[in-house]
Amino acid sequence: GQQLNQSPQSMFIQEGEDVSMNCTSSSIFNTWLWYKQDPGEGPVLLIALYKAGELTSNGRLTAQFGITRKDSFLNISASIPSDVGIYFCAGQISTGNQFYFGTGTSLTVIP
Amino acid sequence: DAGVIQSPRHEVTEMGQEVTLRCKPISGHDYLFWYRQTMMRGLELLIYFNNNVPIDDSGMPEDRFSAKMPNASFSTLKIQPSEPRDSAVYFCASASPGPQNQPQHFGDGTRLSIL
Repeated sequence: GQQLNQSPQSMFIQEGEDVSMNCTSSSIFNTWLWYKQDPGEGPVLLIALYKAGELTSNGRLTAQFGITRKDSFLNISASIPSDVGIYFCAGQISTGNQFYFGTGTSLTVIP
Repeated sequence: DAGVIQSPRHEVTEMGQEVTLRCKPISGHDYLFWYRQTMMRGLELLIYFNNNVPIDDSGMPEDRFSAKMPNASFSTLKIQPSEPRDSAVYFCASASPGPQNQPQHFGDGTRLSIL
């Protein structure tokens, strides 16, 4: 299967700080998704990206589809305690095929 | 709107027993996916269906695993016989048809423990 490298693996930050994480692939993707998973729950979609270079925001979250189509970035501004969780990227090569998931970034926000 | 519904939420059983996990996708979604999540291997796609037909089952680990989708509103993942290494959280997800690659929406998972 496709390898999606997600980094960092974990982050410990102070409340109010900004967060950046990224996902890289050896293959070209035409869709990137970012999910957040809270303990005991399923992943919840945060942002979907469909075009190279696309920059999309959802509140304090901003994600970008890399121009090489092999990477994507997620930024969280002014972190708050409820941002705690595991963030996953997912990429898809072509319509109708499966999504490949990254290994996740565990975020801890210290009040 | 109701999301993806999975049952049971938790299952604890002894090895060798048959386990059946159930999923009801979001109405109107014609893609259904089964995933397994563990600390070691993360989220792994087991199988996915399109219009009730299995499209790719290459992620199904062994013959002990089987999945069915008898109609558009129901799918099962069965493990028989179960083994301790099958312990994991199993997620079902569904996606709608569309011109773009539609995101998958996940259920809350079934936490399976095989003793």
